[in-house]
Amino acid sequence: KNEVEQSPQNLTAQEGEFITINCSYSVGISALHWLQQHPGGGIVSLFMLSSGKKKHGRLIATINIQEKHSSLHITASHPRDSAVYICAVLNRDDKIIFGKGTRLHILP
Amino acid sequence: DAMVIQNPRYQVTQFGKPVTLSCSQTLNHNVMYWYQQKSSQAPKLLFHYYDKDFNNEADTPDNFQSRRPNTSFCFLDIRSPGLGDAAMYLCATLGANSYNEQFFGPGTRLTVL
Repeated sequence: KNEVEQSPQNLTAQEGEFITINCSYSVGISALHWLQQHPGGGIVSLFMLSSGKKKHGRLIATINIQEKHSSLHITASHPRDSAVYICAVLNRDDKIIFGKGTRLHILP
Repeated sequence: DAMVIQNPRYQVTQFGKPVTLSCSQTLNHNVMYWYQQKSSQAPKLLFHYYDKDFNNEADTPDNFQSRRPNTSFCFLDIRSPGLGDAAMYLCATLGANSYNEQFFGPGTRLTVL
């Protein structure tokens, strides 16, 4: 079993839909990151969370430390949001453990 | 302003011909990471440095070496690239004083002919 599990693996939605991507982890962490990667591109950090909730534009990220679970939400999704979204945790040894990513495709 | 810079962005090499990828950072972060990412897969950690302390992952092939001559620079050397080493190579940093925020470079895409 992977230490960081994401769901769904693939998601296709219509423009304007509310999107939720989930991440569960099984190790002790000092932080959790949500990352975005466009096809063939580098990785961009969207959020770093150690508790609670953060919002940036149409993106919202939440974390529940007790349940070892985080969610990334996209409101009013747009085709330019199409990308791979990766959940990554920083464990107590400063190692970053990545989820396998969620491939999001927003149809116009 | 770019904070983690990788050069070159695209590298083509021949089978067996050594290649060096570079990463530099302007953040003065003490932790630097090298990852290999193949198509549709999660990045795989190759090495990380905590200051000059080098940490090699157990399954990183001997063909891969790394150097960190100072805080700002880190190099990835592939001594004899094989076709299976074609991938995106990502550099990332982490600062002890940056509340665990990571910064990623844009990556170097390596093609092996």
